[in-house]
Amino acid sequence: SQQGEEDPQALSIQEGENATMNCSYKTSINNLQWYRQNSGRGLVHLILIRSNEREKHSGRLRVTLDTSKKSSSLLITASRAADTASYFCATDAGTYKYIFGTGTRLKVLA
Amino acid sequence: DAGVIQSPRHEVTEMGQEVTLRCKPISGHNSLFWYRQTMMRGLELLIYFNNNVPIDDSGMPEDRFSAKMPNASFSTLKIQPSEPRDSAVYFCASRPVTGSDTQYFGPGTRLTVL
Repeated sequence: SQQGEEDPQALSIQEGENATMNCSYKTSINNLQWYRQNSGRGLVHLILIRSNEREKHSGRLRVTLDTSKKSSSLLITASRAADTASYFCATDAGTYKYIFGTGTRLKVLA
Repeated sequence: DAGVIQSPRHEVTEMGQEVTLRCKPISGHNSLFWYRQTMMRGLELLIYFNNNVPIDDSGMPEDRFSAKMPNASFSTLKIQPSEPRDSAVYFCASRPVTGSDTQYFGPGTRLTVL
């Protein structure tokens, strides 16, 4: 399976701290995406990083990709209570198909 | 834009009954995906449509599941007969154009089969 595995499964931090989540995958990819899911809601796309990119930023989000290690990390800086959600990585398994990981549940304490 | 619309948001039914979930993708999007999310299995792709044509249904768990997309603005996922193990949240997602990677998810339908 090409399913991404997020690590840790759950993370609890204080507001203002940084949160780092990791994703590992098994086969070569063209790109990797990160999504956020608030409780009871659908997934929302956060950022996409292509296989020829090593780092990408979007606001307080920083994503890195290491294709040699088949891993990616998502860093959320200066976390807020509103960042409390589950975060998923998704790796492409073809021209249209993405395999979603198991997710990291982030809780930001006010 | 209203985003992807799914109905119903919650469905409770008894084992053996037919269940139909509905999805309206974002206007202009030509790809549509149905996913199932459970605690045990995470988010699983069930079926993918491109330009209303089913391209990959390898994720459909068994013959009790069927999906249709009669036009660009409507899709259904049907389970007949339903079983308790079908209880999950079912998501529909659409994508703007072929080659674009971002998927836009609906709010999901929480299905409970008693």
